[in-house]
Amino acid sequence: GAVVSQHPSRVICKSGTSVKIECRSLDFQATTMFWYRQFPKKSLMLMATSNEGSKATYEQGVEKDKFLINHASLTLSTLTVTSAHPEDSSFYICSARDRVGGKLFFGSGTQLSVL
Amino acid sequence: SQKIEQNSEALNIQEGKTATLTCNYTNYSPAYLQWYRQDPGRGPVFLLLIRENEKEKRKERLKVTFDTTLKQSLFHITASQPADSATYLCALDIENQGGKLIFGQGTELSVKP
Repeated sequence: GAVVSQHPSRVICKSGTSVKIECRSLDFQATTMFWYRQFPKKSLMLMATSNEGSKATYEQGVEKDKFLINHASLTLSTLTVTSAHPEDSSFYICSARDRVGGKLFFGSGTQLSVL
Repeated sequence: SQKIEQNSEALNIQEGKTATLTCNYTNYSPAYLQWYRQDPGRGPVFLLLIRENEKEKRKERLKVTFDTTLKQSLFHITASQPADSATYLCALDIENQGGKLIFGQGTELSVKP
């Protein structure tokens, strides 16, 4: 079945550094990818919609300069958390939509801890 | 205001019983409603999708109902097993485009042997 690979699964960084998270669709082409954020025992909050070859659409309240999204190909989207702060510590999850079947598949998530 | 709520944060049941989880929403008119399973530290895994014109859908031990009048979906796991223990999330496709999902807060199901 379709697989979405997300890396890294866990990252610890110092405050002020930038962290890049990759989301790859392994056996299908994804015209659209979504980035979510999740706090412990809370729901997934949609951060942005990433479309291949165009700018991402951010949800209200999400800083686009803070969370840089690049969707340069049909199989790869990246989320860069710039100048990370401890409050950015969270579980980040990507999902990708198969452009043929339209189904949505999720990555395994990235646990970011900013010290 | 728009809301999507799952009935309880946690549900404990005995092995072999049927687990019933509830998802209610207000001020949305979704064409699709989806249920996902999420294990700790992992991304959600798709379980079932039900369309607005479908009253019920089944998959093995899972059953989902969708009542657009009540704005409610029920998710049932029959003959529950300890391996079914996980957090279950309902999600609305609010743009009816099969992608942008709004999630409920999840119900943590624990099935005791």
